[in-house]
Order: sequence, then structure tokens, then C-alpha cells
Amino acid sequence: GAVVSQHPSWVICKSGTSVKIECRSLDFQATTMFWYRQFPKQSLMLMATSNEGSKATYEQGVEKDKFLINHASLTLSTLTVTSAHPEDSSFYICSARAVLAGGTDTQYFGPGTRLTVL
Amino acid sequence: GEDVEQSLFLSVREGDSSVINCTYTDSSSTYLYWYKQEPGAGLQLLTYIFSNMDMKQDQRLTVLLNKKDKHLSLRIADTQTGDSAIYFCAESANDYKLSFGAGTTVTVRA
Repeated sequence: GAVVSQHPSWVICKSGTSVKIECRSLDFQATTMFWYRQFPKQSLMLMATSNEGSKATYEQGVEKDKFLINHASLTLSTLTVTSAHPEDSSFYICSARAVLAGGTDTQYFGPGTRLTVL
Repeated sequence: GEDVEQSLFLSVREGDSSVINCTYTDSSSTYLYWYKQEPGAGLQLLTYIFSNMDMKQDQRLTVLLNKKDKHLSLRIADTQTGDSAIYFCAESANDYKLSFGAGTTVTVRA
């Protein structure tokens, strides 16, 4: 199957700093990527849809000025958590939309990034 | 928004079959998926089914879809210890967004 990578896999930062997380589709081009947040023992919450060459679409309740998304190429989307605070600590997962043989639409997920804000 | 519900826990003996159930509410769902998540990792696509299908089999995995009742199930035959993980049911409609269930934690005991 298709491979999606994330970097870094984990990061610890001080409160007030900004953190950038990269999501790459390694062997396919993705015009659409998604960013999710997952709290312990809970499901994935969609934060935003990232479209190559255009502005991201944020879900209700997600602050676009706090979670900056850039999708500058067909294989890379970045999520920057600005002025991070302890409540932003979470597991962030990206996915890339792909179309399988036969036209089935699916998403391939990255391994996730564990963010801890002290 | 769309609601997807799953039972939270399943314990099964090694070698037995596991059945994970899921219900959803969005009648416009196009595809339904099963993902597997191991500790500290992202989600791995296990299988999917198109909404006009009733059943799909892929090696040890069998997906059953009852569209009338909006019920989806995943059966894992001959469950192994490596199958211990969290399994997420998800559905998508025409906007390509996925709505996930809360996940079913499957524990395989010897």
C-alpha cells in the first residue's frame, strides 16, 4: 500500500513555542491531505482538510490561527502549532487521500506525531 | 454530523473468530472502512466495502454490510496475538471526509 510519513515522530517543547509537523506522501501524489488529533483512548477528530495550492478548510471549533496548515506541494503538508500550550499536547495524525484501482476513495495514514508541551 | 458507534472492548481466545460490530447513521455513506491501530502508531487500512455491496472477503477478514440497518461488521478468522489492537470503523460520503467510531480494543488471550 501507499506510504505516508510524518516528522517528527515525537516532540517535547516549552509552552509558548511553535512546533511544525510534516506529513509526506512517499510514493504517490496527494492533492488532499487531512490532519487529525487523537486524545488517549479516543477516536480521531478531524481538524482540517489540506488542499494543495489553496487554503485549508478547518472543522468547526478548530482555530485556524493556532493550527497553521500549508500544503505547498503534492507530496507535503505541514501543520504548525503556534504558541503551544499544555492543552495542545496530543497525538497528531495526518492522512493523504488516494484513489485505489477501481476508483475507490481512501486515506492512507501517517504514523502520528506525539506532541508534549511542558 | 454523522455518528459512528462501536462497542469499546472485545476479548477473544487465540484461534477463535473475532467479530467487531459498528453502526452508522449517515444513509449517504459511499464507502465504509475498517482501520487497525497498534499502540503508538497511525492507522492501517485493513479493508473497505462499497455501500452497494453486502459482503467482502479478504483472506482472514470478512466484512458484512447491512445497509438497511446501517450495520457493519468485521470478522477476523483464526485470531492471532498480532491481531490485538484497536479497530476503527469509518464511513465517508461524497466529501471524502472520514467519520470514525470510537474504536474497539481487541485483546487476544492465549
